[in-house]
Amino acid sequence: DGGITQSPKYLFRKEGQNVTLSCEQNLNHDAMYWYRQDPGQGLRLIYYSQIVNDFQKGDIAEGYSVSREKKESFPLTVTSAQKNPTAFYLCASTPGQGFNEQYFGPGTRLTVT
Amino acid sequence: AQSVSQHNHHVILSEAASLELGCNYSYGGTVNLFWYVQYPGQHLQLLLKYFSGDPLVKGIKGFEAEFIKSKFSFNLRKPSVQWSDTAEYFCAVNDPSGTYKYIFGTGTRLKVLA
Repeated sequence: DGGITQSPKYLFRKEGQNVTLSCEQNLNHDAMYWYRQDPGQGLRLIYYSQIVNDFQKGDIAEGYSVSREKKESFPLTVTSAQKNPTAFYLCASTPGQGFNEQYFGPGTRLTVT
Repeated sequence: AQSVSQHNHHVILSEAASLELGCNYSYGGTVNLFWYVQYPGQHLQLLLKYFSGDPLVKGIKGFEAEFIKSKFSFNLRKPSVQWSDTAEYFCAVNDPSGTYKYIFGTGTRLKVLA
């Protein structure tokens, strides 16, 4: 089945530790995205990538980093510099040809204590 | 900058009631508009989209939305809701600056009482 895989579903970390969230897609989509979802705030864009080896900051990139070494993979690292990292993180992709709908993964719920 | 407003944050309806969720965007030019739904414990998925043509768009599960350019609106409607429509609904629009970005509203939580 084609889709987006995010792992793990739940992640717990101690404050001060970096943590990397995985996102893999087998849809052959060019563009990939990371969003953060908090209650009452909708989806806020962290980073996005239109092609391999290229990515752009979204609206709330501070304290996060990404890489796009392969078309199918777009991992997100939540660094210790992120002041409020506890959240639900969603990965998405689009074919990249014009403005298409986004396809979303199941999300990772990160809790930092 | 483009923005999206969803004014109804929480909506509670009884089964068979009609639904209308508001969505307004700020940019006056050509836009592509989307409604997504997030059922409890499930992926965010597309309900419907508008790119051009007929401003009344029909989506899955009996939902429809009407694009009214003069009002910068793209409201979601369903004539008769079911308990299974309980979910969070997000309106989104593409960033008109030519990037691959999308802007989402803050979402509306719908609870349908059986």
